Amino acid sequence: EAQVTQNPRYLITVTGKKLTVTCSQNMNHEYMSWYRQDPGLGLRQIYYSMNVEVTDKGDVPEGYKVSRKEKRNFPLILESPSPNQTSLYFCASMPGTAQNQPQHFGDGTRLSIL
Amino acid sequence: GENVEQHPSTLSVQEGDSAVIKCTYSDSASNYFPWYKQELGKRPQLIIDIRSNVGEKKDQRIAVTLNKTAKHFSLHITETQPEDSAVYFCAASRGSSASKIIFGSGTRLSIRP
Repeated sequence: EAQVTQNPRYLITVTGKKLTVTCSQNMNHEYMSWYRQDPGLGLRQIYYSMNVEVTDKGDVPEGYKVSRKEKRNFPLILESPSPNQTSLYFCASMPGTAQNQPQHFGDGTRLSIL
Repeated sequence: GENVEQHPSTLSVQEGDSAVIKCTYSDSASNYFPWYKQELGKRPQLIIDIRSNVGEKKDQRIAVTLNKTAKHFSLHITETQPEDSAVYFCAASRGSSASKIIFGSGTRLSIRP
């Protein structure tokens, strides 16, 4: 089954404790992206990747890192999480890089930073 | 920078009635406009999209209209059903690799029985 898989689905942690949210897609998609969803703000892009070893900042990249060492994986890293990073996070992918195709979203990761 | 405004933020309609959600975009070069539906606790999923070379697109009870001159586009849901209750997001992009997709802030649609 074609899908985008995120782990973990839920995480409660404390300020400053490094964490990684994994994202994997099995559709051989070139483009992958991370969003955060906050009430009243919609989906805001954190980072995106056009292909392996190619990553770029979205609208709200501060406090986050990403890597794209393999085509299928695009982990989101919070080196020193803070409470304002408490949010619902979605990973998404698209077949190509042209921004005129539907995005396939993962099931989301709810992070709570205490 | 580019912006997409979405209204209303919440909408409640009687089952069987129609629902309309409107979005306005700022980048006149935008040419791709998708709509996503997000049910409670689930991921956003594409329900319909439109490109700038057409003014309207329909898929059963769902339709999207685009007015490029006014830079706005709308989602129309007719004969609403309980399963239409969800959050709906509009988005806009230029469609190229160099562009970004910008999402609206979302509309929570509730269908009253």
